Amino acid sequence: GQSLEQPSEVTAVEGAIVQINCTYQTSGFYGLSWYQQHDGGAPTFLSYNGLDGLEETGRFSSFLSRSDSYGYLLLQELQMKDSASYFCAVEMNTGFQKLVFGTGTRLLVSP
Amino acid sequence: GAGVSQSPSNKVTEKGKDVELRCDPISGHTALYWYRQSLGQGLEFLIYFQGNSAPDKSGLPSDRFSAERTGGSVSTLTIQRTQQEDSAVYLCASSLDFVSYNEQFFGPGTRLTVL
Repeated sequence: GQSLEQPSEVTAVEGAIVQINCTYQTSGFYGLSWYQQHDGGAPTFLSYNGLDGLEETGRFSSFLSRSDSYGYLLLQELQMKDSASYFCAVEMNTGFQKLVFGTGTRLLVSP
Repeated sequence: GAGVSQSPSNKVTEKGKDVELRCDPISGHTALYWYRQSLGQGLEFLIYFQGNSAPDKSGLPSDRFSAERTGGSVSTLTIQRTQQEDSAVYLCASSLDFVSYNEQFFGPGTRLTVL
């Protein structure tokens, strides 16, 4: 089977930088995605790494290392609105975009 | 344009009753997914549709769960003889296709409570 591990909670202050790690045990996947979910809201797509390395999208960056079975989401210049849960998800090589999600990291940003 | 919509937003039912949850994907999206999210947990894959066919039903927890999709659009997830452990938020997502990676767009979910 597949498993993805994330820290359950991370706290930071406005303006800071925070890194949310995702370690996985799975065989055969296309890439790693990150989704954001505010309380009571729908998950929204943040980024996707199909290849090893860093992908940058504004204040958010995501990294993947297949050799280390590891990825992370980096959030810069934190804002209060970034308080949410963040999920990593592997896209399995099933022929369609089957996503297996981690249990999520709750980010709390304080003033 | 409109996003993914789901109805009802909340459903409270008694143990043993059947429930139907509806998903309207984004127009033109051929791929549709159902997930379940228990309180404080990640998303659990249930089933995937490509058009009206469901090539992968492996995530359905039991034979009490079934889903269909008609006209390549609306999908219904049916849970028969509901149990308390079925209580969760059921999320639907759609994506443009399955050929290459496309982000999945999620609906707001249906919160199911089985008493």
